Amino acid sequence: DAKTTQPNSMESNEEEPVHLPCNHSTISGTDYIHWYRQLPSQGPEYVIHGLTSNVNNRMASLAIAEDRKSSTLILHRATLRDAAVYYCPCYNQGGKLIFGQGTELSVKP
Amino acid sequence: DAGVTQSPTHLIKTRGQQVTLRCSPKSGHDTVSWYQQALGQGPQFIFQYYEEEERQRGNFPDRFSGHQFPNYSSELNVNALLLGDSALYLCASSLVPGSLETQYFGPGTRLLVL
Repeated sequence: DAKTTQPNSMESNEEEPVHLPCNHSTISGTDYIHWYRQLPSQGPEYVIHGLTSNVNNRMASLAIAEDRKSSTLILHRATLRDAAVYYCPCYNQGGKLIFGQGTELSVKP
Repeated sequence: DAGVTQSPTHLIKTRGQQVTLRCSPKSGHDTVSWYQQALGQGPQFIFQYYEEEERQRGNFPDRFSGHQFPNYSSELNVNALLLGDSALYLCASSLVPGSLETQYFGPGTRLLVL
């Protein structure tokens, strides 16, 4: 199975931008890149996804490297409510999500 | 619109017992996947159901089995419980299988095996 690599933890100050990296060097050419986050005591929630172009939504932006071997989730102004574990799981054929350890983001006031 | 719901929220069992966990997918979704999340780890894929059939399976023993009903709801059954089965069990639903589809997760069932 394909796998992704992320830093174990990152820190940010409130209202500052955060860039969360993900390495997915084994991704196939047709698989979308997805990001999820998991708040304490909750199930993971969808954040954003893309294929080749950079994407923006109300929660975040996704920057995808030209070779698609890495991506960066950008939170433009971190809030205390953004403290969570962020995942960039791989998809295999058929929609099986393969999660790594994720990045635990802490936000300081 | 109700999202993915799971029951029960918490469960305590003893070794050797059997357990059934339930999941109702998001309205309009016909694909249900189950994941196991041990403390401090990312979720691990157990299996996926689509059109009432198991379509994919992760590296879990046969003690883990499931079912999908005609209304797309699903059950996860675990037999002969081991201490190592203690975890958060997550259900996720999507419109169809495939990497384009966003999966929507429920809040999970926390299982403790004593």
